[in-house]
Amino acid sequence: AQSVSQHNHHVILSEAASLELGCNYSYGGTVNLFWYVQYPGQHLQLLLKYFSGDPLVKGIKGFEAEFIKSKFSFNLRKPSVQWSDTAEYFCAVNTNAGKSTFGDGTTLTVKP
Amino acid sequence: DTGVSQDPRHKITKRGQNVTFRCDPISEHNRLYWYRQTLGQGPEFLTYFQNEAQLEKSRLLSDRFSAERPKGSFSTLEIQRTEQGDSAMYLCASSLGQGSGNTIYFGEGSWLTVV
Repeated sequence: AQSVSQHNHHVILSEAASLELGCNYSYGGTVNLFWYVQYPGQHLQLLLKYFSGDPLVKGIKGFEAEFIKSKFSFNLRKPSVQWSDTAEYFCAVNTNAGKSTFGDGTTLTVKP
Repeated sequence: DTGVSQDPRHKITKRGQNVTFRCDPISEHNRLYWYRQTLGQGPEFLTYFQNEAQLEKSRLLSDRFSAERPKGSFSTLEIQRTEQGDSAMYLCASSLGQGSGNTIYFGEGSWLTVV
């Protein structure tokens, strides 16, 4: 069975700082990878996804993620965070069965 | 709004009572998923449907839980004889097509509090 590990439970940054959130997955076959964001009081929204091709994926709001197959990783990055990026971020892996397995999430707090 | 909608958004019930949640997926989506989320954890898969067929159930889904999607459109999740440990956010999601290339779209969830 697949699993997803997010290393950072809570990250606190000042505005304009750079962000990197770690995500590692465990699955031996072909996977598709996702990052979702959940703003306070809102539902899960898709930030970006990787299916195939260029391992560097760009998403909404200036986020990007890099798929490194040899490391089973799909880390999320943003060069300069804003206060409005305060949210919870979830990494997810999707296999041939179509369902997604989620990590436990990373809470990002950006101080103005 | 044509997203995934869930009803009710909040439910408080006494232990031992039955509750039912409804999910209306995005209209052309043939896959529908139920997840459960508790504080500090990511969504945990419960079950999913391809049209009206329930294709997989997690071991998390005890005998007290039942999900249906009778006409391949909306779905219901019923919890019988609720326990305090059932308190969680129940998320519904839908996607188009099959295989791993799906993007799953989530509803806003139904909060359940069992007192």
